[in-house]
Amino acid sequence: DSGVTQTPKHLITATGQRVTLRCSPRSGDLSVYWYQQSLDQGLQFLIQYYNGEERAKGNILERFSAQQFPDLHSELNLSSLELGDSALYFCASSGLAGVQETQYFGPGTRLLVL
Amino acid sequence: AQSVTQLGSHVSVSEGALVLLRCNYSSSVPPYLFWYVQYPNQGLQLLLKYTSAATLVKGINGFEAEFKKSETSFHLTKPSAHMSDAAEYFCAVAHTGANSKLTFGKGITLSVRP
Repeated sequence: DSGVTQTPKHLITATGQRVTLRCSPRSGDLSVYWYQQSLDQGLQFLIQYYNGEERAKGNILERFSAQQFPDLHSELNLSSLELGDSALYFCASSGLAGVQETQYFGPGTRLLVL
Repeated sequence: AQSVTQLGSHVSVSEGALVLLRCNYSSSVPPYLFWYVQYPNQGLQLLLKYTSAATLVKGINGFEAEFKKSETSFHLTKPSAHMSDAAEYFCAVAHTGANSKLTFGKGITLSVRP
């Protein structure tokens, strides 16, 4: 158990819909990362937040957005969903934001768009 | 830009045999390198990381990896495979500067035969 929690574990929805994925980092961790894992793209970095502020953006679609709240939990919002958005979405957290920091991964949210 | 390459998508070994999973990196600056393991239907778990303190890095579950700058490699090894080692293994490089995202290789599935 990494200490990172993600809800829900599974999500089934239809094209065009909007969903919110939630992540609670390890106690005391300030940095949260979101990754997408799909069969064709592999594991890809989406976005990073540090202490409430956006720190870095990766291959995140404009239909996707995220935020980190004062209590440090984070939410990833996916809108106008397409079939290709079906994937496993991971949240990771680290104490600070340095490159040497270990990122601890949550169990993931499996999204299926029908 | 930093990147990692994991050649091959599947490795099969017999129980008790040596495990060798290859990872080569590309980086213009000294890299921070990681190996993660993903068991079926689970999140990623850190096996070990290289942060320039020592070239031979020991991790959990008997795994180790050696950083070889001349070969730009960070191969993962384990002297004797166990059935419980069957999983997917990812090599990753952390980016330097303000953006500490991880860039992952495509992953290698390890099968262990009885």
